[in-house]
Amino acid sequence: GESVGLHLPTLSVQEGDNSIINCAYSNSASDYFIWYKQESGKGPQFIIDIRSNMDKRQGQRVTVLLNKTVKHLSLQIAATQPGDSAVYFCADDRTGANSKLTFGKGITLSVRP
Amino acid sequence: DVKVTQSSRYLVKRTGEKVFLECVQDMDHENMFWYRQDPGLGLRLIYFSYDVKMKEKGDIPEGYSVSREKKERFSLILESASTNQTSMYLCASSLKDTEAFFGQGTRLTVV
Repeated sequence: GESVGLHLPTLSVQEGDNSIINCAYSNSASDYFIWYKQESGKGPQFIIDIRSNMDKRQGQRVTVLLNKTVKHLSLQIAATQPGDSAVYFCADDRTGANSKLTFGKGITLSVRP
Repeated sequence: DVKVTQSSRYLVKRTGEKVFLECVQDMDHENMFWYRQDPGLGLRLIYFSYDVKMKEKGDIPEGYSVSREKKERFSLILESASTNQTSMYLCASSLKDTEAFFGQGTRLTVV
C-alpha cells in the first residue's frame, strides 16, 4: 500500500548532540519530499524539502538525505537545541505539483538540557 | 511572510449542525488544502483545490464539502456534524510545485 511512515514515535536527545529522524516511504513514483516541524498549539512549519533528482540537501543546521534505492528519507539536525523540541513530519508528493502530500504519523523530538 | 489565517482557533458545535471552517491566504497561491489531524494518525488530506471553483477529493472526503469562490479563500463545510468529526483542522496553501504553508489550525469539538 501507499504510506509514508516514521520508524519511531519518539526521540530523546541531549542538547548539543545531533539528531537523526528517519522516514520510510513506499511509493516509487514520489518525486518530492518535505519535512515539517510542528510545535505545540501551532500549525506545521516547513523545514526543508528535496526532489527525487537529488540525494542530499542542506539548510541551516538541517540536512535531508534521500535514498531512493531503499525508499528512505532522513532529517539530520546539528547541535540540537531546546527550541527544536517538536513533532516532526515527513511527507511526499507523487504528482509533481505539490498536491496531495501524504504525511507520516509524526515523531516527537524531545531535547534534554 | 506568507499568512494563512483560519477564522477560528476553537469551535464547539452540536451533532447535526452545519459547520463552516474558513481559511484565507494572502500570497496569491493557486493551491489550497484542508487536512485533519488526529493523534496517532498524522495529517490526512480531506480536499484540495488547484484554482478558483476547482476542487478535488483527498483521502478522507466523506462527510465534508468545500467551496472556493475566490482565490484567497477556501471553506470547509460539514453538512451535518458528527462526533467523529471532532478533530484539529488545518488549512494550507502553496504555489505550484513548492512547499505548503499552514494556518494555526481550528480545534473543532462536536458534542
